[in-house]
Amino acid sequence: DIVMTQSPDSLSVSLGERATINCKSSQTVFYSSNNKNSLAWFQQKPGQPPKLLIYWASTRESGVPDRFSGSGSGTDFTLTISSLQAEDVAVYYCQQYYNVPHTFGQGTKLEIK
Amino acid sequence: QVQLQESGPGLVKPSETLSLTCTVSGVSISSYYWNWIRQSPGKGLEWIGYLYNSGSTTYNPSLKSRVTISVDMSKNQFSLKLNSVTAADTAVYYCTRRGFLDVWGKGTTVTVSS
Repeated sequence: DIVMTQSPDSLSVSLGERATINCKSSQTVFYSSNNKNSLAWFQQKPGQPPKLLIYWASTRESGVPDRFSGSGSGTDFTLTISSLQAEDVAVYYCQQYYNVPHTFGQGTKLEIK
Repeated sequence: QVQLQESGPGLVKPSETLSLTCTVSGVSISSYYWNWIRQSPGKGLEWIGYLYNSGSTTYNPSLKSRVTISVDMSKNQFSLKLNSVTAADTAVYYCTRRGFLDVWGKGTTVTVSS
């Protein structure tokens, strides 16, 4: 199985500041056949299912604010929130869909400082 | 828009079979991949398996011996059966679409207890 490791486990950021969450996979998730990384980012608020933010490592899902961006390739990926808003308080997960079984990171809890 | 709705018993006895159904609206189930995902406090988010090509399946090897995912094209539904359940199978179960999980149901809580 591909192990997904997120850092940090929790993060406190001031409103309007940048938040950065990292995700490392135990092996590459880069598909040479389509030149894309099979990596997604999700946001989960209490009592709700996860919500897709980013797929193919850097493609923003429709309707997701442009303060959310994804970057990285191979085994190292980053989710960046450029200017933290109060509604961004949540747990964030990365997921690889390159290999079966698809696997998730352990989650990063984002709070307001 | 595409919507998914899980349904099924919220309580299952140990050693019995967990059965859930996902009703898909807004798109034909013959398109896309359709997944079951579960989330528990102890194990986080876990991919159970998916259905594609109107009946082909792939399962998580850790659950493969106990899992069956099937489809009912006439009802635009797909189902999950997990047999020989234990307390470790207590979780919120979600049905989702595609490899990158772009659409999720609201989830249904299943508790395994006598």
